[in-house]
This record gives sequence, structure tokens and C-alpha cells, in this order.
Amino acid sequence: SAVISQKPSRDICQRGTSLTIQCQVDSQVTMMFWYRQQPGQSLTLIATANQGSEATYESGFVIDKFPISRPNLTFSTLTVSNMSPEDSSIYLCSVEVQGASYEQYFGPGTRLTVT
Amino acid sequence: EDQVTQSPEALRLQEGESSSLNCSYTVSGLRGLFWYRQDPGKGPEFLFTLYSAGEEKEKERLKATLTKKESFLHITAPKPEDSATYLCAVRGTTDSWGKLQFGAGTQVVVTP
Repeated sequence: SAVISQKPSRDICQRGTSLTIQCQVDSQVTMMFWYRQQPGQSLTLIATANQGSEATYESGFVIDKFPISRPNLTFSTLTVSNMSPEDSSIYLCSVEVQGASYEQYFGPGTRLTVT
Repeated sequence: EDQVTQSPEALRLQEGESSSLNCSYTVSGLRGLFWYRQDPGKGPEFLFTLYSAGEEKEKERLKATLTKKESFLHITAPKPEDSATYLCAVRGTTDSWGKLQFGAGTQVVVTP
């Protein structure tokens, strides 16, 4: 498994601003993922972030709105840009541990409220 | 496109009252079916991975089984600490790398 931390744990932001969420893992991992969980709903994959390459975004998510950085094998950031109330969600990062047969382990999440 | 449907949406159990949660799935080639537990305000906690029909896995009061179309999570003699939302997810062979398709979850409440 892996121990994953996220910062901030929660934030309240104004419409039109941006927030950068950090994800730190206690071991080196090739694959990191960013998910969104809207209120009362399940998880939706935003993008896959591999070190040394650009993030791969799922349908409905674009780099201008959700830029991602992956500077090394233990760290990634997700920025939510030009926020609107519809961006209010829990944002989760996850990692796939090598040799763990596709299992993904999740961080504690960042609860974002946009006013 | 992969689809995952979980039922029931919510389940209220008395302590000790065993029950099962269902996860029906449609996927073009199954790489794995995953069960997670999510407590309020926290990220999902990994429970099990199942890879092929007939496979079963157990952890304490939980047992997960898999057929070609669905998976069951059996909770035996539940305790109040088993209260959580249980999420099912699948990964298919044609999915973009690492993508898990999640169901909506079953919210379980176990009362003393």
C-alpha cells in the first residue's frame, strides 16, 4: 500500500480565483491520478499524471481548467482554475503501487467550497 | 463504456444482522473489480480486488465474491463500526490507463 497526504484538507474560495492542491506519497510511484467527488455522488477521474510526461485528461476535463504538475515520483499538484460554485467538490489523488495489480490507494481528499 | 450499478442505495442494519450489497457491472474485458470503504469526510479505503469469476476474498466480517456480471459484498454479523459507504469500481482492458469506473455506492448504517 501507500501513505498519501493532501494539502489543504479543505478550503473556501471565491468565484474566479484558483486553488492548487498538493498530493504527497511516501514512496515512489509511476502513476498518480486525480479524481473529483461532487456532493452526494461517486468518484470521477479527472486525469492521470505520470512523471516526465503531460497529464492525460478524461472527457469533459481540460488542461486550462485543471492544470496538473508531476515534478517527481512522489508529488503532484492539481490546480482548479477560475473557480465557480459548480467546482465545489472533494478532490482526491490516488496512486497505483507497482506490483499491486492495478490497486489504487487514495489520499484523504481536499474539500473545496466555492462561494 | 464501462458501467457499474450498486444496490441498494442505502441499507440500515441491526447489529448482528447479516446482509449483502450488490455491484452489477458491464465492462469490455475485466482487469479487476475493486471494493472500497469510504467514511464521511475521508478518502476511499481499499478493501479487495477480484480478478476472475469464482474468486472470493475475506477480511474480518466482509467477504467479496465475483461472477461474470456482478459482485457481492457480504457483511456477516455487522457492528456499528462497519457503518460507511461501500464503493465498487471496475477497470476494463479498454480503459484509459488506470481509470477506475465507480458505482454510486451503498450507504450502510449499522445500529446497536
